Amino acid sequence: ETGVTQSPTHLIKTRGQQVTLRCSSQSGHNTVSWYQQALGQGPQFIFQYYREEENGRGNFPPRFSGLQFPNYSSELNVNALELDDSALYLCASSLEVGPGNSPLHFGNGTRLTVT
Amino acid sequence: GQQVMQIPQYQHVQEGEDFTTYCNSSTTLSNIQWYKQRPGGHPVFLIQLVKSGEVKKQKRLTFQFGEAKKNSSLHITATQTTDVGTYFCAGFRGAQKLVFGQGTRLTINP
Repeated sequence: ETGVTQSPTHLIKTRGQQVTLRCSSQSGHNTVSWYQQALGQGPQFIFQYYREEENGRGNFPPRFSGLQFPNYSSELNVNALELDDSALYLCASSLEVGPGNSPLHFGNGTRLTVT
Repeated sequence: GQQVMQIPQYQHVQEGEDFTTYCNSSTTLSNIQWYKQRPGGHPVFLIQLVKSGEVKKQKRLTFQFGEAKKNSSLHITATQTTDVGTYFCAGFRGAQKLVFGQGTRLTINP
């Protein structure tokens, strides 16, 4: 069983640029969630994808967008980067089979630095 | 902002001492999960509590879910250096998916 993998591990971008982060789900999982974790803070929910559709969104502006592919892998896109976007971006996969929560399996994250 | 509050934010103990972190929500949670994040690592799922008043144990770790399903606690007995990390509670509320607390960072003096 392969775990959740994210790429790249680190990234440095300039304010105003765009970035795409990638995530491969754990095998057998059908749902992907993205979280932003600032230094010393808890993960903040960005959005979740289930069967290639956005299935819930946190308090993030539209310049944060995502995709889920038929193989359940996912991308997080951030446009017009701002300095405050500097954070660890975590992808988590889970197997949703009904109401309630399944445990999240996190990847190692992508550390994004915006200068 | 965070809708699930954790206290304390930091806790430093001597190895062998006990440790407790508390999680509070202003609204009823359908369930609560606990995660541990080692320094430089990613959150790792520990346990999920669903029932009012539920208590679960994992070796030296004891997890409780309040009767009103608005609070939870994690207690570690006789801490070891391997317990170092940040412990997060995360609650599920309606359409908003899993909402994490800000975490309690545990450091241990060997």
